Amino acid sequence: GENVEQHPSTLSVQEGDSAVIKCTYSDSASNYFPWYKQELGKGPQLIIDIRSNVGEKKDQRIAVTLNKTAKHFSLHITETQPEDSAVYFCAASIGGSARQLTFGSGTQLTVLP
Amino acid sequence: KAGVTQTPRYLIKTRGQQVTLSCSPISGHRSVSWYQQTPGQGLQFLFEYFSETQRNKGNFPGRFSGRQFSNSRSEMNVSTLELGDSALYLCASSLALAGANEQFFGPGTRLTVL
Repeated sequence: GENVEQHPSTLSVQEGDSAVIKCTYSDSASNYFPWYKQELGKGPQLIIDIRSNVGEKKDQRIAVTLNKTAKHFSLHITETQPEDSAVYFCAASIGGSARQLTFGSGTQLTVLP
Repeated sequence: KAGVTQTPRYLIKTRGQQVTLSCSPISGHRSVSWYQQTPGQGLQFLFEYFSETQRNKGNFPGRFSGRQFSNSRSEMNVSTLELGDSALYLCASSLALAGANEQFFGPGTRLTVL
């Protein structure tokens, strides 16, 4: 089955700096890659996603890049703010009728004021 | 539009008991998936229901089961609880249309098994 690896497990940045989180996946059939943000005591919140026919997607301060050949994708957060502090999860799915997500192990992002 | 709701939010049970958790998806969403989140294993897929039928199943024992009703609401049941079943159980709903794979999570049910 699919296996998703995520790095780093913890990341501290100064407010205003950029943060990058990287994930690799094993199943070349995967074609949908969402990113979730989870704050303490809450469920994961979908923040951005990308499909395999797209190499990059941007939404304000957040961007995701995908390299299908190398089977890796990354989350980029620019101009970080203290409210960006949370655990971030990457995930992969084959899509279609197989909607189950395989998650990475998570990255605890801390933005220092 | 209301988000995914899960009840109860917290639950304490003892070993050997059984438990039923409930999930109401976003209005119009037809697919409900369940995930288990623990510090050791992370987020793991349990099963997915679509049109009252289980469509996909993760690698969990038969003690974990679920169902979906005609209004898309879903329940999951865990029988003969074990200490290791202590976890946050998350429900996610999806429109489940072609090209619309986005899954939206509820706040979860925190289950503690003593």
